[in-house]
Amino acid sequence: GNSVTQMEGPVTLSEEAFLTINCTYTATGYPSLFWYVQYPGEGLQLLLKATKADDKGSNKGFEATYRKETTSFHLEKGSVQVSDSAVYFCALIVYSSASKIIFGSGTRLSIRP
Amino acid sequence: DADVTQTPRNRITKTGKRIMLECSQTKGHDRMYWYRQDPGLGLRLIYYSFDVKDINKGEISDGYSVSRQAQAKFSLSLESAIPNQTALYFCATSPPGPTYEQYFGPGTRLTVT
Repeated sequence: GNSVTQMEGPVTLSEEAFLTINCTYTATGYPSLFWYVQYPGEGLQLLLKATKADDKGSNKGFEATYRKETTSFHLEKGSVQVSDSAVYFCALIVYSSASKIIFGSGTRLSIRP
Repeated sequence: DADVTQTPRNRITKTGKRIMLECSQTKGHDRMYWYRQDPGLGLRLIYYSFDVKDINKGEISDGYSVSRQAQAKFSLSLESAIPNQTALYFCATSPPGPTYEQYFGPGTRLTVT
């Protein structure tokens, strides 16, 4: 079956540190991959996506590259800010008429000033 | 105005009570979803609907029922609430086709005592 595994949190970093949140997946077929972010008290919102191998998704200084050979989609940011404190979810979907998105368990990120 | 709204935002109820959570969307999407979020478990799909006449069970539908009253409205009911249904509940919508971006409501925090 299809599944997503992401690193457990919480992750605590100082402002301006480099961020990596690991995500690996198992999928039958060719998935599209996503990172969603959940800020405190809010619903999830799409952060970035990649739909085929070697694609790089990017938004708000965050990047993730679709690596088919390692079945990974790690989230990175070069210099985090306090406002990046949130829960981050990796997700995938394999296209079919009945497709449903599958979410990882989420990684809580806290940034110290 | 928000594209996806949920009412109520917070609810405390007693074991055995019937409760309904409501979701409305103005995005014009056919596809709607109900998720449950528990700490450390990510999001789990309860029910989903790909159009007004289509209702499908997700991975944790036991103890829940849904009603799709219109394209824009999708309600989740707990017929007889129990304490382990205490959680954060999210409604989401998505367009059909390969983009698969999901748009989430702000969530309903439900506590069953």
